[in-house]
Amino acid sequence: EDQVTQSPEALRLQEGESSSLNCSYTVSGLRGLFWYRQDPGKGPEFLFTLYSAGEEKEKERLKATLTKKESFLHITAPKPEDSATYLCAVLGQAGTALIFGKGTTLSVSS
Amino acid sequence: KAGVTQTPRYLIKTRGQQVTLSCSPISGHRSVSWYQQTPGQGLQFLFEYFSETQRNKGNFPGRFSGRQFSNSRSEMNVSTLELGDSALYLCASSRVFTGQARAKNIQYFGAGTRLSVL
Repeated sequence: EDQVTQSPEALRLQEGESSSLNCSYTVSGLRGLFWYRQDPGKGPEFLFTLYSAGEEKEKERLKATLTKKESFLHITAPKPEDSATYLCAVLGQAGTALIFGKGTTLSVSS
Repeated sequence: KAGVTQTPRYLIKTRGQQVTLSCSPISGHRSVSWYQQTPGQGLQFLFEYFSETQRNKGNFPGRFSGRQFSNSRSEMNVSTLELGDSALYLCASSRVFTGQARAKNIQYFGAGTRLSVL
């Protein structure tokens, strides 16, 4: 059964304090791993998709990496506006739907 | 380019009633997926429609149903509402359906409909 586990559940950072969020997955034949950002009261906003181990994507202060068992979302010098819940999802070969993790809630204080 | 539009944004219903939620996908997107989001369970897949046909269905009771129209707009219906149905219902659209092999499938979400069942 495809599974996604995100850690930590919550993360508090000071502005400028870099860190990483983890997404561990179990899937039979990865077709894609997706990162979303969700602000309170809003729908998830697409950030990145990764398709194969070794692949990396960057956008502003965010960088997503992928191995055969996990993905990391690295946040460099975060700002308060980066505060949100970050969701990871996978799609496997046999899968017919995205499987989401429960998310990491990031709080960045100035 | 307009994003995914969900209406209404908020709904309050009582137990036993039924409710219909609407979703207009991004122009050119033919697949619409529905999810239920709760604090305890996170995002859970309900069903996916593509070209007016239900392609996939999650593990939800038959009280949850949906349909898709020829213009790709989709509706979701929940009958005989229960307190546990209170949640944020999210719609996502994509160009291809999830089961399509070797296709890069990116789902874009709407803002959701917040349903409260009293």
